[in-house]
Amino acid sequence: DVKVTQSSRYLVKRTGEKVFLECVQDMDHENMFWYRQDPGLGLRLIYFSYDVKMKEKGDIPEGYSVSREKKERFSLILESASTNQTSMYLCASSYPTSGGHKQYFGPGTRLTVT
Amino acid sequence: DQQVKQNSPSLSVQEGRISILNCDYTNSMFDYFLWYKKYPAEGPTFLISISSIKDKNEDGRFTVFLNKSAKHLSLHIVPSQPGDSAVYFCAASANQAGTALIFGKGTTLSVSS
Repeated sequence: DVKVTQSSRYLVKRTGEKVFLECVQDMDHENMFWYRQDPGLGLRLIYFSYDVKMKEKGDIPEGYSVSREKKERFSLILESASTNQTSMYLCASSYPTSGGHKQYFGPGTRLTVT
Repeated sequence: DQQVKQNSPSLSVQEGRISILNCDYTNSMFDYFLWYKKYPAEGPTFLISISSIKDKNEDGRFTVFLNKSAKHLSLHIVPSQPGDSAVYFCAASANQAGTALIFGKGTTLSVSS
């Protein structure tokens, strides 16, 4: 059974803190993604990665960075957390095929920045 | 500019009736479309997909229809059940390896018993 896990379900951090969100997948997928979900805005892509040590900016990369040192692990980093980064963060992975790009999602991390 | 649009933020349906969720897109390069379902405090789960070479795909109670000329797709749920109450996201992709999905803003479906 496919599985994407995220390090925390709920996280509370203070403004200015450095925050690490970890995502691990056990499906040997090449592609991994970080989204944030906000009410009325849907899922917005922050960063994605096609391979180890490779990263691409999504639609809203400002204030975030990522790291992919191993194929199964993709980390999202908030260098200096701000209140407008309070959100639900979702990690996903997929295998590059020609038949669509079905992504498998983790359970999400609800981050609150105070 | 939104490439994938779900113009109805919410939909209420009675149990046993049909639910129809709509999605419009603007990019003619999209060739694969997916629907995801999301419960609160959980990640989205894949529901059903359709390739642009088809106009219909069915899986149990769920059917997706694609009208390429109108750049429109719809998800039909028949019969609707209270457990179907969730946020439904439409997503689209172009056929390149590793292309990220483009998601709509979602439609919240409420099915009352």
